[in-house]
Amino acid sequence: DGGITQSPKYLFRKEGQNVTLSCEQNLNHDAMYWYRQDPGQGLRLIYYSQIVNDFQKGDIAEGYSVSREKKESFPLTVTSAQKNPTAFYLCASSIRQGDQPQHFGDGTRLSIL
Amino acid sequence: QQPVQSPQAVILREGEDAVINCSSSKALYSVHWYRQKHGEAPIFLMILLKGGEQKGHDKISASFNEKKQQSSLYLTASQLSYSGTYFCGTKSFGNEKLTFGTGTRLTIIP
Repeated sequence: DGGITQSPKYLFRKEGQNVTLSCEQNLNHDAMYWYRQDPGQGLRLIYYSQIVNDFQKGDIAEGYSVSREKKESFPLTVTSAQKNPTAFYLCASSIRQGDQPQHFGDGTRLSIL
Repeated sequence: QQPVQSPQAVILREGEDAVINCSSSKALYSVHWYRQKHGEAPIFLMILLKGGEQKGHDKISASFNEKKQQSSLYLTASQLSYSGTYFCGTKSFGNEKLTFGTGTRLTIIP
């Protein structure tokens, strides 16, 4: 079955540590996205990538970094510069950038110890 | 700028109808609708691309009024499975990024 796999489902981080959230898709989609979801605030775009080796900042990119070395993979690193990282993180993909349906993974819940 | 959804929450009995609105302060190019159940991934419902467009499947439909810069999602004869949080996402002219509203929480009770 094609889809998007996010891992881990739950992640705990000590203050001052960087952590990397994994996102893999086997849908052969060109575009991939990272969103952050906080209670009552909907989905906010962190980074997106339209093709391999290219990505753009979303609305809340500060404290985060990404890479897109392979079409299938779009990992997100939450750095120590992100002062309030506790949130639910969702990865999504679409066939291409534009008005296409986005397919979401099941998310990673990040908490600070 | 984030679109505004209304109402923020609504509780219905099974079989009742609901309308969820999504408004923007900017001229809209397209509107996307998603539903998310608690702790799960959002699921795509539909995209409306031009003013006056209406779409629907089963008993869920939507309209897009570009002059009013808003879209409405209609759920008729609601079923228990319709429960969840509904998000609209909007794109304005000159901005390729999809911006989501804060969501409308729909609870259907038997």
